Amino acid sequence: GAVVSQHPSRVICKSGTSVKIECRSLDFQATTMFWYRQFPKQSLMLMATSNEGSKATYEQGVEKDKFLINHASLTLSTLTVTSAHPEDSSFYICSARVWDRGRSSYNSPLHFGNGTRLTVT
Amino acid sequence: TQLLEQSPQFLSIQEGENLTVYCNSSSVFSSLQWYRQEPGEGPVLLVTVVTGGEVKKLKRLTFQFGDARKDSSLHITAAQPGDTGLYLCAKGGYNQGGKLIFGQGTELSVKP
Repeated sequence: GAVVSQHPSRVICKSGTSVKIECRSLDFQATTMFWYRQFPKQSLMLMATSNEGSKATYEQGVEKDKFLINHASLTLSTLTVTSAHPEDSSFYICSARVWDRGRSSYNSPLHFGNGTRLTVT
Repeated sequence: TQLLEQSPQFLSIQEGENLTVYCNSSSVFSSLQWYRQEPGEGPVLLVTVVTGGEVKKLKRLTFQFGDARKDSSLHITAAQPGDTGLYLCAKGGYNQGGKLIFGQGTELSVKP
């Protein structure tokens, strides 16, 4: 089955530093990946849509300069939390959809990574 | 808001009991998916429903999609402690530009 690998699984950083989170599709190509944020006991909130070879599309209220997204290849998207603060502490999850040239895949399921627990001290 | 309305948000029951989780939206879904998530992990897909009135079964789990494609339900029969987790409904498809929007989630705890 399609596997999405997310790294690191846990990271602790000091306030003011930047943290990069990687999301890789291991056995398939993904033109689009999605980044979610999840607080304890809450649901997943979509932050942005990462598009291979173009700029990411951010959801309303998400600061694009703070959460930098790069999707340089069909198998890798990165999320960089810049100048992190304690309120950025959260569980970040990426997901990807298998890209099938010539076929609409909007209804196909997303494959999720196992998330990254970010703690900013 | 981008969230679907999911209820209840928390549910604590004894092993062997039945339960139903509901997912509602004011707009029509092109497709709806149900996921289960365990702490510290990503969500895992349980089922996708796309046709109004559709019913799908996965062992003790029964998923129903409303005729008007605006609501869905998940029914678990004879719940077991292994069913404990966060259950999420999500809508997606062409109208959402391919992205998935999640409901608030239902935190289920099944006590032995």
